[in-house]
Amino acid sequence: GIQVEQSPPDLILQEGANSTLRCNFSDSVNNLQWFHQNPWGQLINLFYIPSGTKQNGRLSATTVATERYSLLYISSSQTTDSGVYFCAVLTGGGNKLTFGTGTQLKVEL
Amino acid sequence: SQTIHQWPATLVQPVGSPLSLECTVEGTSNPNLYWYRQAAGRGLQLLFYSVGIGQISSEVPQNLSASRPQDRQFILSSKKLLLSDSGFYLCAWSGGVGNTIYFGEGSWLTVV
Repeated sequence: GIQVEQSPPDLILQEGANSTLRCNFSDSVNNLQWFHQNPWGQLINLFYIPSGTKQNGRLSATTVATERYSLLYISSSQTTDSGVYFCAVLTGGGNKLTFGTGTQLKVEL
Repeated sequence: SQTIHQWPATLVQPVGSPLSLECTVEGTSNPNLYWYRQAAGRGLQLLFYSVGIGQISSEVPQNLSASRPQDRQFILSSKKLLLSDSGFYLCAWSGGVGNTIYFGEGSWLTVV
């Protein structure tokens, strides 16, 4: 099956810092999503981004499908950004969402 | 707008007892429905998905089963729980092939 790897696995930032999270996938995909899992376990949709670049406030994402990677940018990080960030790809005719290994982010004061 | 609910939010069950987690979606019809599990650590594993009533695809062999008795209802069950069934279970839905997938609030299961 498809492999989805994220880096770095863990990241500690000072509040106000910027960061880039990476997602690599091993095969062609129908689509790609980024999620933030908060400390209560809830998975929050950040981006639905098969290709190109999207921005939402302090967050932006870029997917280069031909090179099989996606990047999530977090600018001016805040403590509320803490949690685990997942990318997930759609395969199998678009019915199966395979998750990456996740990046655990901690933003400190 | 569409919403997804799953319950119970938390439960503690003895080994060998049955399990039933329920998920419903409102505001849409014929959704694709999913059950995921997140064990200790961070990985999310797809357990089952369904593209229609009575149509269930199982991704991994396990002690669990799923059913879709109604269009917007998805149930995760077990006849006899194992300790290894402990984890965080998430239901999700999408509008179809290639559409964004949305998750419910999750259910924390502890098997003791």
